[in-house]
Amino acid sequence: DTAVSQTPKYLVTQMGNDKSIKCEQNLGHDTMYWYKQDSKKFLKIMFSYNNKELIINETVPNRFSPKSPDKAHLNLHINSLELGDSAVYFCASSQFLPGQGNTEAFFGQGTRLTVV
Amino acid sequence: GQSLEQPSEVTAVEGAIVQINCTYQTSGFYGLSWYQQHDGGAPTFLSYNGLDGLEETGRFSSFLSRSDSYGYLLLQELQMKDSASYFCAVSATGGGNKLTFGTGTQLKVEL
Repeated sequence: DTAVSQTPKYLVTQMGNDKSIKCEQNLGHDTMYWYKQDSKKFLKIMFSYNNKELIINETVPNRFSPKSPDKAHLNLHINSLELGDSAVYFCASSQFLPGQGNTEAFFGQGTRLTVV
Repeated sequence: GQSLEQPSEVTAVEGAIVQINCTYQTSGFYGLSWYQQHDGGAPTFLSYNGLDGLEETGRFSSFLSRSDSYGYLLLQELQMKDSASYFCAVSATGGGNKLTFGTGTQLKVEL
């Protein structure tokens, strides 16, 4: 069983379109994240959710709207796609341990988004 | 805010030992972890240090000095398959459960 699964793996779309990426984890973790990895491989945190509540929004344009229907799912909807949105988007999950923080994160396979 | 710095690129020969350093600035620090990412793949967890000292896992070891805000990943008996990007990541509070990644170090292992 895949611990963190995200779909689709590849997404090619035109500027101005709206698209969604889905993520599910079966690890029972309480924290989920979305990261954006650009061509320089920098992993930038976008959002962090804890028990389906938004904890962190790292100055991401409001065209990006995460939704967490339950703590096992964190989807990402992107409106009015722009060329600069082209990147690999990773979903991840971890379990917050008191006094230790988030010690180990598990990543989905990534979604390579190409905006043309 | 948080910042983590790592060398952008390291090259070593097969069988050698290489150390990848990471310095960080953050508040509410919990611990430092390391991830490996092969081209086209997802980051995978290697190790976590919550306390000062060395953690060893097979050929890989990781070190943390909380007082120096510094850590490193040590890879021994390098193999070609170790060619990948390596990221340090800080787990901290300061607004919530946050896992912030460094800029990544591209390791190239040569024959």
